[in-house]
This record gives sequence, structure tokens and C-alpha cells, in this order.
Amino acid sequence: GDSVTQMEGPVTLSEEAFLTINCTYTATGYPSLFWYVQYPGEGLQLLLKATKADDKGSNKGFEATYRKETTSFHLEKGSVQVSDSAVYFCALRPPGGYQKVTFGTGTKLQVIP
Amino acid sequence: NAGVTQTPKFRVLKTGQSMTLLCAQDMNHEYMYWYRQDPGMGLRLIHYSVGEGTTAKGEVPDGYNVSRLKKQNFLLGLESAAPSQTSVYFCASSPGQGMSNQPQHFGDGTRLSIL
Repeated sequence: GDSVTQMEGPVTLSEEAFLTINCTYTATGYPSLFWYVQYPGEGLQLLLKATKADDKGSNKGFEATYRKETTSFHLEKGSVQVSDSAVYFCALRPPGGYQKVTFGTGTKLQVIP
Repeated sequence: NAGVTQTPKFRVLKTGQSMTLLCAQDMNHEYMYWYRQDPGMGLRLIHYSVGEGTTAKGEVPDGYNVSRLKKQNFLLGLESAAPSQTSVYFCASSPGQGMSNQPQHFGDGTRLSIL
């Protein structure tokens, strides 16, 4: 079945550091890929998405590129801020798989001033 | 612009009690979902619905029941609460068939403790 593997956290960075959170997936066909962010006490919010190979999703300075050849969708940001502290989830949704979204276990990011 | 609204936000139950968690969405989405979130385990799908009057089991359905009598509402019931059901519960919705490239929209969660 489908699966999503994220790097273990927590990740602690200083403000303005470069961020990479790794995400790899296993799925048949060409799923849509998502990054969600969860701030303390809140639900998940969509951060960015990519729906086909080589697509780059971007939002709020975050980027991720859909790499079919390596089955990866790594999240990057050039300069993190304290306000980026949150839990980040990678997820996939198979084509036509309207009900089955597979989530990674989440990576907690803490950014210190 | 409410999106997905969950009630209540917090609840403490005793073992064996019953309760219903309410989820309402105002985006006219066809699909709705209930997840539970536990430390280190990500989100696990409990039940889902692909339309009014239809429900289906997810990964961890035991001990829960659901109903979708109206398109905008999705109810999650615990008939006899157990401590293992202590968790944070999230409701989500998304557009219908043919829209697999669309994200899910989540509520802010219900924090449930079973003593």
C-alpha cells in the first residue's frame, strides 16, 4: 500500500538557518503530494502542493519539488523564522483515491532566536 | 468564512460514557473524514464519507460510529468510551470525485480525555 516516510524530529534551528525536511513516498501511479503545517493547538493547514512530476510547490518562502525518479518531496526554506515553529506533515493522495490520503508521522520544527 | 468547525473543543469523559463529536463544513464538500492524532503516530483515519447518507471504515474504526445525514455535517460517536480513545480528533473535508489534486481542509480538533 501507499506510504510516506518523513525524517524524525524534532528539528531545532537558529533563526535564519536553512531548513530541509525530507519526505519520501511509496505509491503506484502519480499521486498528488502535499505539505501541511500544524501550529500548536490548531488543525492542519495546507502549506503547498504538487500534482505531477517536476512540479514545484511554493508558499510563504517554503518550496518542495515533486521528484518521481527518487519518489521524494523534500520541504525547504532558505531562512527560517521563529514563527515557522510548528509540526510539518507530508502527505500523498493517489489519483482517483478520493478517500485515501496517506500522511507521514510529522516533523516538529523549533526555531530559536 | 468558517471552513470546518468542530464541537466541542475539549471534553473529559469517564470510561463507559458515550458522546458525539460534531463536525460542520460550509464549503459544499462531498467528502468528509474523521482522524485521530496520537503522539508519534501521525494521523489515522477512523471513518470517512463520500457523500450524504454514506459512510465507510478507515484504518481504526473499532469503538466508533459515524453518521452523515446532511451533506454539511459529519458526526463521530463513541458508544462506550475507553482510555485508549484518549486522543485529539480532527475532522476534515475535501471536494468530490475527480478532485484528487485538491487538499483536505481541517478543523481545529477536539481534545478528548477518557479517565
